[in-house]
Amino acid sequence: DADVTQTPRNRITKTGKRIMLECSQTKGHDRMYWYRQDPGLGLRLIYYSFDVKDINKGEISDGYSVSRQAQAKFSLSLESAIPNQTALYFCATSDSGRRHEQFFGPGTRLTVL
Amino acid sequence: GNSVTQMEGPVTLSEEAFLTINCTYTATGYPSLFWYVQYPGEGLQLLLKATKADDKGSNKGFEATYRKETTSFHLEKGSVQVSDSAVYFCALSADSGAGSYQLTFGKGTKLSVIP
Repeated sequence: DADVTQTPRNRITKTGKRIMLECSQTKGHDRMYWYRQDPGLGLRLIYYSFDVKDINKGEISDGYSVSRQAQAKFSLSLESAIPNQTALYFCATSDSGRRHEQFFGPGTRLTVL
Repeated sequence: GNSVTQMEGPVTLSEEAFLTINCTYTATGYPSLFWYVQYPGEGLQLLLKATKADDKGSNKGFEATYRKETTSFHLEKGSVQVSDSAVYFCALSADSGAGSYQLTFGKGTKLSVIP
């Protein structure tokens, strides 16, 4: 089984809808991250969390919110989706003891019409 | 702030050709450097890393040396295979404050290897 899983893997929605993307990990890591990937732009950090009570904004947090329900679960929400949020979204985890290395989930492809 | 610049693609090579993907960085302090690979339809996987100057990271025939004097971390492979076709990302990790280490990625270089 994969160490970092994301659901759904693909989602098509309409402008204005609320969307939640979920991430779960079995690696026992304390740190979790959400990124978005756009063609030609690499990966950009949306939010990150160092433990259940710690949430931090990343480079591009506007229009997004997150929830860290447990050490193993980190959800990303789009309260009112807009077309320019169409992208590939990745969850990642890391261990504070090996803080430099992150492990990525398979991604969620989100299309907002 | 921290930044990573890598050569733009796409790069198309014939099987067994030599590969170089250039990567340079700007960072405060002493970052760790990484190459991640993304195969079609998959997430990113760590390919190799180097945590201090002059370190050489290597994996699956790929190598990169941390060059502090030129702020570079170029990826090389002597003989590419069709299975190496993927997008390659250079990244750095540096302290953003209070022990908060975050990855900063380059924009990615798409490699296609043809038989």
